[in-house]
Amino acid sequence: QSALTQPPSASGSPGQSVTISCTGTSSDVGGYNYVSWYQQYPGKPPKLIIFDVTERPSGVPDRFSGSKSGNTASLTVSGLQAEDEADYYCSSYAGSYRFGVFGTGTKVTVL
Amino acid sequence: QVQLQESGPGLVKPSETLSLTCTISGGSFTNYYWSWIRQPPGKGLEWIGYIFENGITNYNPSLKSRVSISIDTSKNQFSLNLSSVIVADTAVYYCARGKGWYSDDWGQGTLVSVSS
Repeated sequence: QSALTQPPSASGSPGQSVTISCTGTSSDVGGYNYVSWYQQYPGKPPKLIIFDVTERPSGVPDRFSGSKSGNTASLTVSGLQAEDEADYYCSSYAGSYRFGVFGTGTKVTVL
Repeated sequence: QVQLQESGPGLVKPSETLSLTCTISGGSFTNYYWSWIRQPPGKGLEWIGYIFENGITNYNPSLKSRVSISIDTSKNQFSLNLSSVIVADTAVYYCARGKGWYSDDWGQGTLVSVSS
């Protein structure tokens, strides 16, 4: 099964905003409101930061927000901070046969 | 706060079976599913499969013929077996707790290398 498409990299200066896209199909991203986003530092496990397209787990700063339009989901990080420099992965439910699928990952650099 | 810890051999020979166990502490099996996810060095994440408390499983179709996940609630553990491994199965293997269609808690991961 094909991975969701993310840009390999994104960057911004401290205080700015950066938006990461996650493009799938009507069989995954477009078909369900079950997109999640994970932040991963080198050598560490992924950490859930957005679930069900727009929901934030307890403890995740409201600088992180999610949205979806058609087959593309997006993660926006507002007020960039140095600690936001990490890899970000999206994931979507893709139906019980196709199970779940991850995005290709985006490395965010804080300039 | 639930904690998950992977354990198992760090090196497996090609064609053999990779076996890992995830031990859960500080949490309940109820109302969650339990997943295995892997990440080859320098690459992205891949779902392997998951299991519910009642033993119902679902596997990634691309790995289904080689994967088996089991659960032992009396030991607070669930396990992964991946048979006939090849070099491309070299990865960090994570266990994770799932709720809805996301994983909210992850183990630290364990690197398994496939090499003769």
